[in-house]
Amino acid sequence: QVQLVESGGGVVQPGRSLRLSCEASGFTFRDSGMHWVRQAPGKGLEWVTFISDNGRHKYYADSVRGRFTVSRDDSKKSIYLQMSSLRPEDAAIYYCVKDRDRSWSFDYWGQGTQLTVSS
Amino acid sequence: QSALTQPASVSGSPGQSITISCTGTSSDVGAYNYVSWYQQHPGKAPQLMIYEVSNRPSGVPNRFSGSKSANTASLTISGLQAEDEADYYCSSYTISTTWVFGGGTKLTVL
Repeated sequence: QVQLVESGGGVVQPGRSLRLSCEASGFTFRDSGMHWVRQAPGKGLEWVTFISDNGRHKYYADSVRGRFTVSRDDSKKSIYLQMSSLRPEDAAIYYCVKDRDRSWSFDYWGQGTQLTVSS
Repeated sequence: QSALTQPASVSGSPGQSITISCTGTSSDVGAYNYVSWYQQHPGKAPQLMIYEVSNRPSGVPNRFSGSKSANTASLTISGLQAEDEADYYCSSYTISTTWVFGGGTKLTVL
């Protein structure tokens, strides 16, 4: 079965950097686009970024463009989210999500990793 | 990238039907048939319920259905059950090659 396991969350000071990881299993990872979606405490869902199956295409929400970078390593069946210049409003649960094969929907979700941004 | 508009809350009694609306613009909901819906129970990750406006993934009960007219999509749950009580989010792909979510709707089963 599809599994997505995020890691790397924690408490970080404003302005600092952090990298999240997501390890996938149960599907052909190299053929799948992947997303990061976040949810601030008590708030709704916010799409963050998408990386295509071949890694050539990357798209970002306006709120993180220029500060966050998505990447993937197919040999490790993993995607990563490098976050820099972190702000208090970046605090959220970050979900790794598999794209549903060209239907542009969020097919399978990990359990999320929590990021807290506080001094 | 403005969020899609959903009602904050809806409610219904067991066995009844409810509909949740999701209003966007001609740049997102109205542009493509790439509207999807998600169910989220407290403390859990969201689950895909409807994709491409009206398609159900395997395992999702046929009580859940979706539709779209112009810039507004809708999720209908018929034969409401207690376990349907959750938050529901719509999402749409946009002409800017981004994705946008609705603000979420809390469904209460009375």
